[in-house]
Amino acid sequence: DQQVKQNSPSLSVQEGRISILNCDYTNSMFDYFLWYKKYPAEGPTFLISISSIKDKNEDGRFTVFLNKSAKHLSLHIVPSQPGDSAVYFCAARGETSYDKVIFGPGTSLSVIP
Amino acid sequence: ETGVTQSPTHLIKTRGQQVTLRCSSQSGHNTVSWYQQALGQGPQFIFQYYREEENGRGNFPPRFSGLQFPNYSSELNVNALELDDSALYLCASSGGAGGLTDTQYFGPGTRLTVL
Repeated sequence: DQQVKQNSPSLSVQEGRISILNCDYTNSMFDYFLWYKKYPAEGPTFLISISSIKDKNEDGRFTVFLNKSAKHLSLHIVPSQPGDSAVYFCAARGETSYDKVIFGPGTSLSVIP
Repeated sequence: ETGVTQSPTHLIKTRGQQVTLRCSSQSGHNTVSWYQQALGQGPQFIFQYYREEENGRGNFPPRFSGLQFPNYSSELNVNALELDDSALYLCASSGGAGGLTDTQYFGPGTRLTVL
């Protein structure tokens, strides 16, 4: 039973263009959503997050959108850079950091120079 | 402020053996979580420790156990290793009071191979 889904295992985008990574979830009790980036041989690195009471959060080139009624969120990277090439994990949890974090399977992003 | 470190980087064991993986949390972080990441999958939550007590567990059998120490270090122990235990094991620490926006910081992981 996969509560957090990332249906695109991989994505290729030209440098300078927009990258859109999608995530769907099934558990309506999730209150907090996070995106992590992972390079090979490194642990996941926190990228950006959004609370369930918001529909958008922006941090530099990264914006996360949340559509709670559709149980869908997306990460937009504009403009995409070659250094953004990594695996991106969508994750979700309850209202406290003591709640377990549920990760999606990840999307491998390749930004082509 | 030092990051989260894990040891060893790689480990090879045989089926039936026992293994101990170690993690050193960021200074001041009182919460540590352990995850298993199989190939091609996202990290799966094993358990979480808060102030040396287990306070949450995922769908892992009792042969997965842990300890957290006062010096911000922790251990993951796995007994009776099975081939399916081959994975990247990640620890993550956080230092807040359980608030909504507290963030976990991950170590680089230990790659365990069971033969």
